[in-house]
Amino acid sequence: AQSVSQHNHHVILSEAASLELGCNYSYGGTVNLFWYVQYPGQHLQLLLKYFSGDPLVKGIKGFEAEFIKSKFSFNLRKPSVQWSDTAEYFCAVNLLSGGYNKLIFGAGTRLAVHP
Amino acid sequence: NAGVMQNPRHLVRRRGQEARLRCSPMKGHSHVYWYRQLPEEGLKFMVYLQKENIIDESGMPKERFSAEFPKEGPSILRIQQVVRGDSAAYFCASSPGRENIQYFGAGTRLSVL
Repeated sequence: AQSVSQHNHHVILSEAASLELGCNYSYGGTVNLFWYVQYPGQHLQLLLKYFSGDPLVKGIKGFEAEFIKSKFSFNLRKPSVQWSDTAEYFCAVNLLSGGYNKLIFGAGTRLAVHP
Repeated sequence: NAGVMQNPRHLVRRRGQEARLRCSPMKGHSHVYWYRQLPEEGLKFMVYLQKENIIDESGMPKERFSAEFPKEGPSILRIQQVVRGDSAAYFCASSPGRENIQYFGAGTRLSVL
């Protein structure tokens, strides 16, 4: 069965530290890849997406992610985090077989950034 | 342009009651998806609907759960005879087409006493 694994469930960082959140998926077909963020009490927002082309994608708020097809990975990075980045981050895969949209989510990573 | 609207934001039900969760998609979106997030878990796909049609309900529990997306009005996720295990956050998403990005609502947190 298709699945998405996020390696860290809880991450605690100090402001200005660098961030890397791991995401691996298990599916051999064509995929679209996403990172969503959920700030406390708010809806999920799209941080960035990969559909095709340059495997290094840049999203909002200084986030970027790199798609490495050979490793089935789509890790999220930010060089210097801020307190306002405290949130839960979800990696998701959109399976394209069947011709429609079904997102498979990882379990999420809760990030706490301390001033 | 209003986003995906879900109501209520919080819903408390006693065991055996019915829960109705509503989702109004973004303007111009005719595709709706429901996901459930259990505590300490990621979102799990439940059902995908287009106007008046259920396209994929492979993630829906076989009993007590149903979903609809009528021609007029919001999409409804209905849970009959709720049990404590139904306590979760239920998220709705919408998209303009079947392969487009999904936009999420703020979710409905269901608590079953």
